[in-house]
Amino acid sequence: AQSVAQPEDQVNVAEGNPLTVKCTYSVSGNPYLFWYVQYPNRGLQFLLKYITGDNLVKGSYGFEAEFNKSQTSFHLKKPSALVSDSALYFCAVRDLRGSQGNLIFGKGTKLSVKP
Amino acid sequence: DAGITQSPRHKVTETGTPVTLRCHQTENHRYMYWYRQDPGHGLRLIHYSYGVKDTDKGEVSDGYSVSRSKTEDFLLTLESATSSQTSVYFCAIRPGDSPNEKLFFGSGTQLSVL
Repeated sequence: AQSVAQPEDQVNVAEGNPLTVKCTYSVSGNPYLFWYVQYPNRGLQFLLKYITGDNLVKGSYGFEAEFNKSQTSFHLKKPSALVSDSALYFCAVRDLRGSQGNLIFGKGTKLSVKP
Repeated sequence: DAGITQSPRHKVTETGTPVTLRCHQTENHRYMYWYRQDPGHGLRLIHYSYGVKDTDKGEVSDGYSVSRSKTEDFLLTLESATSSQTSVYFCAIRPGDSPNEKLFFGSGTQLSVL
């Protein structure tokens, strides 16, 4: 089965501290992984993706994600959190079962960064 | 929002009535999607389209139908709305043919079925 899990409903971080938002996946082939962010009352925005190559992927707004095949994880990270990073974060994996490659999204993790 | 307009932005309706949501894009991309967002479920795919009159079902298609008679418009219809269809609905487009392309999302439609 193709699936993605975000084990934390909410992550709380103090401004200036590093942040990690966790994601694990289950696919029957090579994984194609994505992170999206949703700010209040807005649609989702693309942050970054892993398709192949370097396990450390850099994205928008200073975010990066580390692909770990042995742990089947794709955690989102940022060295120094900002209050403006507070939002809902979604991990997604490409569904390899169909020919269209639609995305399967996780349930989302709410990130709260306090001053 | 990459030229994506969803209408209406908010809708309140009664159980049993039909409802149509519209997604309009200005870029003539082939791929368009309808998702619903619910707490504890994230985003779930309802239907998608890969061209005019080419549509297919997603994970949660029961109770929904779609139509795409023009490249720029993708309509989502709830034939007979139920309270379980109260949700936020997002339209998305994919600019290229590669499934590794990122999606662009509209601002959403908040639908309440009373």
